[in-house]
Amino acid sequence: AQSVTQPDIHITVSEGASLELRCNYSYGATPYLFWYVQSPGQGLQLLLKYFSGDTLVQGIKGFEAEFKRSQSSFNLRKPSVHWSDAAEYFCAVVRRGGYNKLIFGAGTRLAVHP
Amino acid sequence: GAVVSQHPSRVICKSGTSVKIECRSLDFQATTMFWYRQFPKQSLMLMATSNEGSKATYEQGVEKDKFLINHASLTLSTLTVTSAHPEDSSFYICSGTETGATDTQYFGPGTRLTVL
Repeated sequence: AQSVTQPDIHITVSEGASLELRCNYSYGATPYLFWYVQSPGQGLQLLLKYFSGDTLVQGIKGFEAEFKRSQSSFNLRKPSVHWSDAAEYFCAVVRRGGYNKLIFGAGTRLAVHP
Repeated sequence: GAVVSQHPSRVICKSGTSVKIECRSLDFQATTMFWYRQFPKQSLMLMATSNEGSKATYEQGVEKDKFLINHASLTLSTLTVTSAHPEDSSFYICSGTETGATDTQYFGPGTRLTVL
């Protein structure tokens, strides 16, 4: 069965530092992968997605993610974090077939220190 | 583009009453819409999938008679929580996929339901 694992429940970084959020997936075929961000009390905003092609994907707000099939990973990165990046980040994979339902990871809560 | 709205953003109701939440795709036609529930500091749990003009498909463990979903048009889906109880208090989020581009879901801002 497909699954998504985000090993880090909570991460704290200093403003201006680099960031990497980990995501591992379990899926038999080529996965469709997503990163969403959720600010407190808000819905989810799509940061970026990977379907095929270039394994380094650029998203909004200066984020990028790299698909590594050999490691079943799709880690999210940002070279310099801003205080406004503090939020909950969810990795997700599409469960293909039917209505292409999303399977979400547990989320990683990012705190940014000034 | 691909904006989804929800109304209301927050609702408080008494136990035993019913509450309707609207989900609208503002700039695209959403053949399929999804309803999620999110408990504090937890991930999203898919409740049901609705296709315009047909009955919703509920995930295992979700009571279809308690959570009524209607997807009457390509831009509107509604979730009605019937005979709400305090344990139904939660954050409800909808999403939609564009017709012909069904791999990407666009999410609404969510509705905070509090049942007293």
